[in-house]
Amino acid sequence: TQLLEQSPQFLSIQEGENLTVYCNSSSVFSSLQWYRQEPGEGPVLLVTVVTGGEVKKLKRLTFQFGDARKDSSLHITAAQPGDTGLYLCAGARGGGSEKLVFGKGTKLTVNP
Amino acid sequence: DTAVSQTPKYLVTQMGNDKSIKCEQNLGHDTMYWYKQDSKKFLKIMFSYNNKELIINETVPNRFSPKSPDKAHLNLHINSLELGDSAVYFCASSPGLAGPYEQYFGPGTRLTVT
Repeated sequence: TQLLEQSPQFLSIQEGENLTVYCNSSSVFSSLQWYRQEPGEGPVLLVTVVTGGEVKKLKRLTFQFGDARKDSSLHITAAQPGDTGLYLCAGARGGGSEKLVFGKGTKLTVNP
Repeated sequence: DTAVSQTPKYLVTQMGNDKSIKCEQNLGHDTMYWYKQDSKKFLKIMFSYNNKELIINETVPNRFSPKSPDKAHLNLHINSLELGDSAVYFCASSPGLAGPYEQYFGPGTRLTVT
């Protein structure tokens, strides 16, 4: 059972465009994280959101945690080729479960 | 000043062999993990140790045996390698068990079994 569904699976856009990536679940998470992975490297943590409705900004990236803490979105404004990578969301169930559940990722390609 | 390091980066071996992957973190974290990332990029947890104690053991064949000599090291030994073991294996660490379990990943070890 895949607890976290990411969409779209693949996204190819031109430099300067805006985009949104979604991470959805029927389960409630105590926190949710977003990672970016580049080819040949390990995932790198971008942000953690913990409060329902929370919005965090990281330069041109805006992350939102759903009010019910079941979903999240990542919006990138004016995408650049350096944003290319695999974006992974991961949720912590809490309640003594000491592990993250990862989505299958969104592979983003930003063409110059 | 690598935070989480793994060796080797690449590992090519034949079916039936035994191999080990080593991981070290210098972040002072209490918890370390092994993940497997398949060809479709799906990242799945295999094991987790907290202060040298095994706390997560997912449904992994017993050919895989983790070992944590101290809280800064977590090694993975694989016996009788099979073709399906080919994947990228990531080590990660996080501060502790209090959550939200933010992961700091190593660069990965690409294992190819022929």
